[in-house]
Amino acid sequence: KAGVTQTPRYLIKTRGQQVTLSCSPISGHRSVSWYQQTPGQGLQFLFEYFSETQRNKGNFPGRFSGRQFSNSRSEMNVSTLELGDSALYLCASSPRGGEAYGSPLHFGNGTRLTVT
Amino acid sequence: KNEVEQSPQNLTAQEGEFITINCSYSVGISALHWLQQHPGGGIVSLFMLSSGKKKHGRLIATINIQEKHSSLHITASHPRDSAVYICAVRSATGNQFYFGTGTSLTVIP
Repeated sequence: KAGVTQTPRYLIKTRGQQVTLSCSPISGHRSVSWYQQTPGQGLQFLFEYFSETQRNKGNFPGRFSGRQFSNSRSEMNVSTLELGDSALYLCASSPRGGEAYGSPLHFGNGTRLTVT
Repeated sequence: KNEVEQSPQNLTAQEGEFITINCSYSVGISALHWLQQHPGGGIVSLFMLSSGKKKHGRLIATINIQEKHSSLHITASHPRDSAVYICAVRSATGNQFYFGTGTSLTVIP
């Protein structure tokens, strides 16, 4: 079974631009969650989608948004990029999501975004 | 305020040693995850726990829900265990994920 695929692996953008990152989950997984990792803040939760619905959202500004398609693939978008958005963006998929007992997470290799 | 605290931050061990990494959390949780991250960024989920103890090979994870504490043990450590180990919890209210800052483990041959 193919793992979680994130594209692109590396991205360089200029401040003020917008960017879209893609995540294809493991076949059959319906939940996709997104995370930001920086040296200063560590890993932080962005949002989680299940069956095309955003189930929960972390403490990030509205410039960060996402969506999930009917085939469970997900995209996240960051508008009006700031230097502080430079980070490794990781997505994870799981068979289920948002349920009380949780589900194991399967991570992609991430997209490293550099904002100049 | 950090919802998840890990200790130690850094750990150096000789090959073969028994290693323990600790995680304390302050929120009610539905699940706790132990993650492993190697240089280059890839994260692997080692365990997901909601109670008790799990074992996989040389790795053992335990959780005490009443004390809000979990431990990750590595028996007979090996240089290939060198990585950052991260504790993460899914909160029972709001389904948020909170992460510890990680424990950087180096195992010396």
